[in-house]
Amino acid sequence: AQKVTQAQTEISVVEKEDVTLDCVYETRDTTYYLFWYKQPPSGELVFLIRRNSFDEQNEISGRYSWNFQKSTSSFNFTITASQVVDSAVYFCALGSTSGTYKYIFGTGTRLKVLA
Amino acid sequence: NAGVMQNPRHLVRRRGQEARLRCSPMKGHSHVYWYRQLPEEGLKFMVYLQKENIIDESGMPKERFSAEFPKEGPSILRIQQVVRGDSAAYFCASPYPDTQYFGPGTRLTVL
Repeated sequence: AQKVTQAQTEISVVEKEDVTLDCVYETRDTTYYLFWYKQPPSGELVFLIRRNSFDEQNEISGRYSWNFQKSTSSFNFTITASQVVDSAVYFCALGSTSGTYKYIFGTGTRLKVLA
Repeated sequence: NAGVMQNPRHLVRRRGQEARLRCSPMKGHSHVYWYRQLPEEGLKFMVYLQKENIIDESGMPKERFSAEFPKEGPSILRIQQVVRGDSAAYFCASPYPDTQYFGPGTRLTVL
């Protein structure tokens, strides 16, 4: 069965702190995609990153970085020097590379960045 | 939202009424996914459609819910005889090509 676990329901940090959001997944597929989406208070879903299972290189984009470790089935997301605008719910998702390509989402982590 | 359109953005229905949610994928695209987000939960897959075809409806409730994507016009998710438990945000997504881009969602409130 496929499953995505985001164990942290809610995290609060003070502005400028670094914060890591955890994501653990389960799948029997040998190839798959992993994603992070941001859902700000306005409610839309904003795509942040896609990672293919055969590419374990970590990625950095500005203040955002992602650590993919296949050995532990984890795809963690770190925000460096957090800002109030980072306050949102963040979802990790698992996607197939075959079949109907539907996504399995985690339950999300609500990040509150306090000024 | 990468050009994925959904309307209405907010919909209020009384129990027993019908709800129709519309989704237009990115221009020129012929596939859409529908997901439902219950309050304080993640998104759950409902149905995957290609124009005039349902490809995968494994996530659709067996009763009262239906979806279509006609040759012309938007994809429609239809909920008949709504109940309070149908209150949720409904998102559609357009795949391009290995990433699904989501519309702004329709927030359905059932009174």
